[in-house]
Amino acid sequence: GAGVSQSPRYKVAKRGQDVALRCDPISGHVSLFWYQQALGQGPEFLTYFQNEAQLDKSGLPSDRFFAERPEGSVSTLKIQRTQQEDSAVYLCASSPQAATSGGPYNEQFFGPGTRLTVL
Amino acid sequence: QQQVKQSPQSLIVQKGGISIINCAYENTAFDYFPWYQQFPGKGPALLIAIRPDVSEKKEGRFTISFNKSAKQFSLHIMDSQPGDSATYFCAADTGNQFYFGTGTSLTVIP
Repeated sequence: GAGVSQSPRYKVAKRGQDVALRCDPISGHVSLFWYQQALGQGPEFLTYFQNEAQLDKSGLPSDRFFAERPEGSVSTLKIQRTQQEDSAVYLCASSPQAATSGGPYNEQFFGPGTRLTVL
Repeated sequence: QQQVKQSPQSLIVQKGGISIINCAYENTAFDYFPWYQQFPGKGPALLIAIRPDVSEKKEGRFTISFNKSAKQFSLHIMDSQPGDSATYFCAADTGNQFYFGTGTSLTVIP
C-alpha cells in the first residue's frame, strides 16, 4: 500500500522566498507530524495535527513557519521569508491513532522528506 | 536541551559481530521507546519498540534492553550484516511528542 509521500523531494530557495512543502499521509491516519532534521542530527518536532486540528505547534521555530491540514488529510508546511538556517530535511509522519490515545504502539510512519536548501 | 542522549555517534562493526547503541533519558513521563532505522535519502522507519513495563524485547536479530531505574535503553543487533549499515535513532515518546536522539551511524564491514 502507499506510504507517506512528500513533495517536492528537493527545494532550493533564495533567502527571503516563501516555500510550501506538501505531505500526503497514509489514508485514514488521524495523526500527522512535521519534523525538521538538520544534517547529522535526529528529527526535531515541529507540529502535530489530529485530523484538521493543530493541537501542538510548540516546535515551530518562529512565526515564519506555518502549517495547515484543512481537511484532515493532506498537510502543507509553509515557511515565509526563508533564511539560511532553515536549510534542513523536513519530514512528515502519520499515525493511525490520536497521539494521546495510548494505544499499543504509537508508531509513526515517515515520508522520505523534503530537502530544503536556502541560498 | 537534548531530551534523549544517544551514543556512540558512529560505530564500525565486522560482519557477524554485535552492534550496541545506547540511549539515556531523564523525563519519567516517557512511555514508549522506539528505535528507527534511516537509510540515506529515506525517512526513518520503525525497527523495534518497547514500553517501560518490560525489560527486554527481541525481534529477530534486534533486541532492546530497557533499564527503567537507570533511565537507559539500548539496541543490540546480533550477527550484524552489511545491509544493516544505516543511521539508527532512538526516541522517547510522552504520548503526543517524540524526542529523538542524535543518531548513530553504523557501518558493518564485510
